[in-house]
Amino acid sequence: GENVGLHLPTLSVQEGDNSIINCAYSNSASDYFIWYKQESGKGPQFIIDIRSNMDKRQGQRVTVLLNKTVKHLSLQIAATQPGDSAVYFCAENKVRLTGGGNKLTFGTGTQLKVEL
Amino acid sequence: DTGVSQDPRHKITKRGQNVTFRCDPISEHNRLYWYRQTLGQGPEFLTYFQNEAQLEKSRLLSDRFSAERPKGSFSTLEIQRTEQGDSAMYLCASSLAGTGFSPGANVLTFGAGSRLTVL
Repeated sequence: GENVGLHLPTLSVQEGDNSIINCAYSNSASDYFIWYKQESGKGPQFIIDIRSNMDKRQGQRVTVLLNKTVKHLSLQIAATQPGDSAVYFCAENKVRLTGGGNKLTFGTGTQLKVEL
Repeated sequence: DTGVSQDPRHKITKRGQNVTFRCDPISEHNRLYWYRQTLGQGPEFLTYFQNEAQLEKSRLLSDRFSAERPKGSFSTLEIQRTEQGDSAMYLCASSLAGTGFSPGANVLTFGAGSRLTVL
């Protein structure tokens, strides 16, 4: 039978090129977004975050862009390296102003493959 | 402190058996979360604790699942009478407590996970 859910969207890039990974989030009320990187056999690792009052945030070699109008998030990785090969997840949250845990809602992920 | 630790990393069990996973969060983090991740999917929230209090549970957490954090430090997740559909990676995460956009409260630090295979 068909293995629904096993075939992640895949982005293949050459080493040294820039990568752009896209994510469509679901909740228009979400006001906080995080990108996580997950390598095989490991837990998700924080990359960068952005609040909804921003449309761009830069880190080391990474930039996150947020378009609230179309509920779209993207992660740009500059000068992609072999160590960047992993599955990338966007996660969204509606921040609670009066306390309580912050449950992240994750997207399905994109597999990034860096070719030498 | 080297981060969030989970044990065991892999567990293979027969259907109907009980299994227990342990999570040791980052020591100064008072919030602890359990997530489940199936192959090709993003993690799904199961439950979270603030100190020793379990404050929220997902509908995914059936009666066969129970989580505890008795002293507000480590946590255990037990699955009774395992079913093949329970096969997944069980991820633990921790964070600081805080409200709104306070630093550290929104970013969850994950462990490497405990992979469960139910035969």
